[in-house]
Amino acid sequence: EAGVVQSPRYKIIEKKQPVAFWCNPISGHNTLYWYLQNLGQGPELLIRYENEEAVDDSQLPKDRFSAERLKGVDSTLKIQPAELGDSAVYLCASSFGFQETQYFGPGTRLLVL
Amino acid sequence: AQTVTQSQPEMSVQEAETVTLSCTYDTSESDYYLFWYKQPPSRQMILVIRQEAYKQQNATENRFSVNFQKAAKSFSLKISDSQLGDAAMYFCAYRSALGKIIFGKGTRLHILP
Repeated sequence: EAGVVQSPRYKIIEKKQPVAFWCNPISGHNTLYWYLQNLGQGPELLIRYENEEAVDDSQLPKDRFSAERLKGVDSTLKIQPAELGDSAVYLCASSFGFQETQYFGPGTRLLVL
Repeated sequence: AQTVTQSQPEMSVQEAETVTLSCTYDTSESDYYLFWYKQPPSRQMILVIRQEAYKQQNATENRFSVNFQKAAKSFSLKISDSQLGDAAMYFCAYRSALGKIIFGKGTRLHILP
């Protein structure tokens, strides 16, 4: 069974540029999470989807971050414009439901110059 | 607000020995879940063990076991017969009954051959 797929794996951009990350969850998983992980820190939840509905986006900086999960399958996280402080790893995870085990993708490492 | 604290940024253990990683948390909720995740240098996070707060029996998964002290709000992970492949960052995580999840800052575990 394929795991959670994320792309790109690495991204280098200049500040003020837009960037987008893509996540394809494990087939059948209706819950999808986006996390931000700074170096040497634990993941911080940005947004949780139940199917196509964002049920917890309280930690998503809505002035520059946006996310969508059209059709309740794959998801895109966008930053526009990117700032130096956005340099981090962006992790996607999925599960059959929010009470079930989360499976994480490999992450996208973003460097903003 | 819930918090998760891992007071040991780094630990080392001799191969084949036993090591215990500490985690404390704070919550006013009675129904919640606790987790230990492992993140090897490749960065893909995997679940090690989970504990439901309503269960008094400590969870065990092969060489991994927890010491769950609900009244003390403590959730430590014991790794027996440490192996080189156990070297990783270990994150303690709390999840509320409604799905809000919080990770600790992690403990980096080194295995000495």
